[in-house]
Amino acid sequence: AQKITQTQPGMFVQEKEAVTLDCTYDTSDPSYGLFWYKQPSSGEMIFLIYQGSYDQQNATEGRYSLNFQKARKSANLVISASQLGDSAMYFCAMRENNAGNMLTFGGGTRLMVKP
Amino acid sequence: DARVTQTPRHKVTEMGQEVTMRCQPILGHNTVFWYRQTMMQGLELLAYFRNRAPLDDSGMPKDRFSAEMPDATLATLKIQPSEPRDSAVYFCASALPLGDTEAFFGQGTRLTVV
Repeated sequence: AQKITQTQPGMFVQEKEAVTLDCTYDTSDPSYGLFWYKQPSSGEMIFLIYQGSYDQQNATEGRYSLNFQKARKSANLVISASQLGDSAMYFCAMRENNAGNMLTFGGGTRLMVKP
Repeated sequence: DARVTQTPRHKVTEMGQEVTMRCQPILGHNTVFWYRQTMMQGLELLAYFRNRAPLDDSGMPKDRFSAEMPDATLATLKIQPSEPRDSAVYFCASALPLGDTEAFFGQGTRLTVV
């Protein structure tokens, strides 16, 4: 079974609009961390934001926020005020404590920002 | 500026040749991951080390792939013999062992096997 599922292979968003990228995960471990990475066309993997399973509040980093719904096992990334430079692949990932904190990725979502 | 260093950045080789990819993790990071990225399969975890010992290499084809950490500053991924289907971008990432810390990625090695 997939540990991390990203159901949107590709998305468009208008510049300056907000966009939500979906991520659901599967774990029975009470202790885990959720991460989002950005991969622009240049290929590097850039860490964006982290949410811990015990965190009470949703994580925020600048224009990025994580909509963490633990009971639904979802960790959606919200990008506010989209910019052309946000066009990239976005990956959701998880580290599970019981799996030795191995880092597992979803299939990614390609975001395209329209001017 | 701490970063993960991978060499070579690009490699073109003929089918059947041995390929060695190297990774220098960030100093102080004792956890190292190797990933393979292709259009079809996305990011696949090949191997995962902690304190230089392999914790999980179930994602790696054992007949031709091998991964090692000869010391704390070097991780290697070898393919012998290489095949065209091995063409991909190979990423190394390093991290602290705690689950609440992110992994830092190298720039990747783009491998083409002809």
